[in-house]
Amino acid sequence: NAGVTQTPKFQVLKTGQSMTLQCAQDMNHEYMSWYRQDPGMGLRLIHYSVGAGITDQGEVPNGYNVSRSTTEDFPLRLLSAAPSQTSVYFCASSVRLAINTGELFFGEGSRLTVL
Amino acid sequence: AQKVTQAQTEISVVEKEDVTLDCVYETRDTTYYLFWYKQPPSGELVFLIRRNSFDEQNEISGRYSWNFQKSTSSFNFTITASQVVDSAVYFCALSEATRNTPLVFGKGTRLSVIA
Repeated sequence: NAGVTQTPKFQVLKTGQSMTLQCAQDMNHEYMSWYRQDPGMGLRLIHYSVGAGITDQGEVPNGYNVSRSTTEDFPLRLLSAAPSQTSVYFCASSVRLAINTGELFFGEGSRLTVL
Repeated sequence: AQKVTQAQTEISVVEKEDVTLDCVYETRDTTYYLFWYKQPPSGELVFLIRRNSFDEQNEISGRYSWNFQKSTSSFNFTITASQVVDSAVYFCALSEATRNTPLVFGKGTRLSVIA
């Protein structure tokens, strides 16, 4: 098993550009989520999904879009990148339907810089 | 709303010293789960432990131990005889079972163990 795979690992964007961070897991996990990590701010939840076709907003959803067409994939789209979106992004998944009881498996992170 | 507070932003200790990382949480739910994750300098997030609100037994795993006290809403993490490899950022997290909320993380504590 590859676990949780995120691509790309590094990306530089110009303000206003759009892009998609890809996340795939091969563990048949129901629950997937995106967090961003900023210095001194910890991990903040952007969006999450409890299964294919179902998504919900987290703490900091503005400027981001997600979809969950398959169990395996949960892409994060930046619609019009802003310097405030410079961050490290982590995708995570969990086996349990009860999203809060399962250990989260994290991807390696994607470092995004918006100029 | 659920909240996790890690008041210690950075801690520095000399190798072989014991160190305790504090975690205080807030929740209105009667059933909840508490977690600790480790983020070494390489950047990945590593699951360490999960406790549910009905199990206040302290846990020991090698040099690591966790003290869960509902009376003070705390879930502290102690590393005994610290080693340089323990240098990392440590995150405490909380999820609420009844309210079915995703994990909320504290801002993390950066631990530096000096040889």
